[in-house]
Amino acid sequence: NAGVTQTPKFQVLKTGQSMTLQCAQDMNHEYMSWYRQDPGMGLRLIHYSVGAGITDQGEVPNGYNVSRSTTEDFPLRLLSAAPSQTSVYFCASRLTGGGTGELFFGEGSRLTVL
Amino acid sequence: GESVGLHLPTLSVQEGDNSIINCAYSNSASDYFIWYKQESGKGPQFIIDIRSNMDKRQGQRVTVLLNKTVKHLSLQIAATQPGDSAVYFCAENNAGNMLTFGGGTRLMVKP
Repeated sequence: NAGVTQTPKFQVLKTGQSMTLQCAQDMNHEYMSWYRQDPGMGLRLIHYSVGAGITDQGEVPNGYNVSRSTTEDFPLRLLSAAPSQTSVYFCASRLTGGGTGELFFGEGSRLTVL
Repeated sequence: GESVGLHLPTLSVQEGDNSIINCAYSNSASDYFIWYKQESGKGPQFIIDIRSNMDKRQGQRVTVLLNKTVKHLSLQIAATQPGDSAVYFCAENNAGNMLTFGGGTRLMVKP
């Protein structure tokens, strides 16, 4: 099993550009989520999904879109990148959407917006 | 385990000593708590969890204590090793499917 796979690992964008961070898991997990990590601020939840076709907002959803057309994939879209979105992004999944259980993280995607 | 600006609280311990990392959580309705370890350049890794109907849970070399009265969580690491050096985060499940993370504490182990 590959676990949670994120691509790309590094990306540099110019202000106003759009891009998609990819996340895939091969563990048949119902729950998937995206966090961003800024220095000294821990991880903040952007969006999450409890199953295919279902998405919901986390703490900091503005500027990001998600979709969940399959169980395996949960892409994060930045429609018009801003320097404030410079961060490290982590995708995470767990078996069920019930609130408990180990959350498995990917290795992260470092995004710089100039 | 609260962070201040860009500077993480740091705990420095001698190899072989026990470590205690503390965390204050915010929501008295939180029903589930997790500790994560994050090494430099990697994603967070699960260490141990505890439900709100318990006040203590033990794993291998780690113990989590939960005090709901003062909304406090602690992680104890026995016989700390150099490989334990990392940033440690507590997280609380406070709204069904939203896991909220604290700011993190950096653990440095001196040989």
